[in-house]
Amino acid sequence: GESVGLHLPTLSVQEGDNSIINCAYSNSASDYFIWYKQESGKGPQFIIDIRSNMDKRQGQRVTVLLNKTVKHLSLQIAATQPGDSAVYFCAERGENQGGKLIFGQGTELSVKP
Amino acid sequence: DTEVTQTPKHLVMGMTNKKSLKCEQHMGHRAMYWYKQKAKKPPELMFVYSYEKLSINESVPSRFSPECPNSSLLNLHLHALQPEDSALYLCASSQDWDQNTEAFFGQGTRLTVV
Repeated sequence: GESVGLHLPTLSVQEGDNSIINCAYSNSASDYFIWYKQESGKGPQFIIDIRSNMDKRQGQRVTVLLNKTVKHLSLQIAATQPGDSAVYFCAERGENQGGKLIFGQGTELSVKP
Repeated sequence: DTEVTQTPKHLVMGMTNKKSLKCEQHMGHRAMYWYKQKAKKPPELMFVYSYEKLSINESVPSRFSPECPNSSLLNLHLHALQPEDSALYLCASSQDWDQNTEAFFGQGTRLTVV
């Protein structure tokens, strides 16, 4: 399943499928990006980050892709599990932004067993 | 220890009350942040502290007053709040504000203003 971020804030996938969550960021000067997972009633939890000198980074079951040309970030989750159900936020920071970590709108991922 | 601890977890206060939210981290981080989050919305930055000094105030009303007593602690003093200030208040910390490292978040304080 795939989301388009701002325009489709919810994504529903079947357990075991791969998920793709998209994020369009606004500031071309941003050079560091983070994906956070936020479960109901909890604070955001770091998943994976990427710097602007990279276009891909992999973690355990997750991959982040960065396309600076179109200012687009995506998070791929392999073999999605019920425990992956949460809201996913991308966040951006730039060296000229005085330390601000700015969040995107978020996508709610729902995994059906 | 990669934990940011916030107290209290829940707070109900009247519009004439004065209360404080507390945040603590022992990771040696020199940047600490306050965010406000409404339901189904992303966290919105309120304040950034760097080396115990306020470096960013995102035009937050003066009824919210941050304080950084030392490098491990961050407080948010609340006075004369409005019902629309009800939200989840999140504290975060990172190694330094100008280095691209992740920010760690606490579990938040769920604030209700009545």
